[in-house]
Amino acid sequence: ETGVTQSPTHLIKTRGQQVTLRCSSQSGHNTVSWYQQALGQGPQFIFQYYREEENGRGNFPPRFSGLQFPNYSSELNVNALELDDSALYLCASSRDLYEQYFGPGTRLTVT
Amino acid sequence: AQRVTQPEKLLSVFKGAPVELKCNYSYSGSPELFWYVQYSRQRLQLLLRHISRESIKGFTADLNKGETSFHLKKPFAQEEDSAMYYCALAGSGGSYIPTFGRGTSLIVHP
Repeated sequence: ETGVTQSPTHLIKTRGQQVTLRCSSQSGHNTVSWYQQALGQGPQFIFQYYREEENGRGNFPPRFSGLQFPNYSSELNVNALELDDSALYLCASSRDLYEQYFGPGTRLTVT
Repeated sequence: AQRVTQPEKLLSVFKGAPVELKCNYSYSGSPELFWYVQYSRQRLQLLLRHISRESIKGFTADLNKGETSFHLKKPFAQEEDSAMYYCALAGSGGSYIPTFGRGTSLIVHP
């Protein structure tokens, strides 16, 4: 069984740019959630997709958007990057709503 | 609004000592509560879920609705328990929005 993978591992962007982060779900999982984790904080929920439909959204502005594909892989897109967007972005997949399997994360630095 | 509070940023104990990591929550409905653990250089993983009422790696957690708490306990800490522990809450039914606490770093000294 393949675990959750994320790409890239880390990247550096400039304020105002756009970024796309990718996640490949664990085999058999139809739900994916994205989190932002700032240094010294717990993961903060961005949104969740279930069978390609958004199934819940946290307190993030519309410039954070996502997609889930038929093979249940997923993307997180962030437009107009701000310095405060610098964080670790985690993807988690699950078969049900609750038992989530996390990826290793993508470290985003905005300069 | 739902909220999870982990009052201790760091908990330091000696091997064999009892451990209690505190978690308090605020939620108007019936919550689903979890503990996640992240060992050094590993990814975040589910430790236990209140609804399953299991003991995992010697850890237990009891939901106390009166005190709105879900403390994680282990009677005898081991060095391999050293890790970052996160308490999390998910609202039951309807829209799914999970909330994590800021985490408690547990260090178990030999």
